[in-house]
Amino acid sequence: EAQVTQNPRYLITVTGKKLTVTCSQNMNHEYMSWYRQDPGLGLRQIYYSMNVEATDKGDVPEGYKVSRKEKRNFPLILESPSPNQTSLYFCASSYRDRGRRDTQYFGPGTRLTVL
Amino acid sequence: LAKTTQPVSMDSYEGQEVNITCSHNNIATNDYITWYQQFPSQGPRFIIQGYKTKVTNEVASLFIPADRKSSTLSLPRVSLSDTAVYYCLVDPSSGSARQLTFGSGTQLTVLP
Repeated sequence: EAQVTQNPRYLITVTGKKLTVTCSQNMNHEYMSWYRQDPGLGLRQIYYSMNVEATDKGDVPEGYKVSRKEKRNFPLILESPSPNQTSLYFCASSYRDRGRRDTQYFGPGTRLTVL
Repeated sequence: LAKTTQPVSMDSYEGQEVNITCSHNNIATNDYITWYQQFPSQGPRFIIQGYKTKVTNEVASLFIPADRKSSTLSLPRVSLSDTAVYYCLVDPSSGSARQLTFGSGTQLTVLP
């Protein structure tokens, strides 16, 4: 089944404790992205990747790192999490059809709480 | 990047047709318009995409006037399960611009 998976789905941690949220897709998509969703602010893009070893900042990259060493994986790293990073995080992957634009496939989300 | 404006919320009753309009005044020549649906605590799901005139699939229709400064998502005969947030996006034409901006979306509530 074509899908984007994220782990963990729920995480409660403390300020400053490094964490990684994994994201994997099995559709051989070139593009992958990370978003955070907060009440009243909608979805905001954190980082995106156009291919292996090609990443770039989205709207809200501060406090986050990403890597794209393999096409299928795009982990999100919080080196020193802070309470303002408490949010619902979504990973997405997409391809670009000839003559069309991307259709993004989203993962199930990771609810992160930083105490 | 073209900014989109949508109503914050809409209510409808089961069986009615719902039209959600999105304005994107600064849309560029080669930009596409895409709509996503999101249920609580789930990731957004692609609904429909178009460039001009009308596009229809098994879920919805998308109407885009000639000036492309707005678009209307039409959901025929909605049911309770169509209650969700609907996002309108303008997909930039540049191949390197993968930065997509989701607005706040429209909360559609379908009432029995």
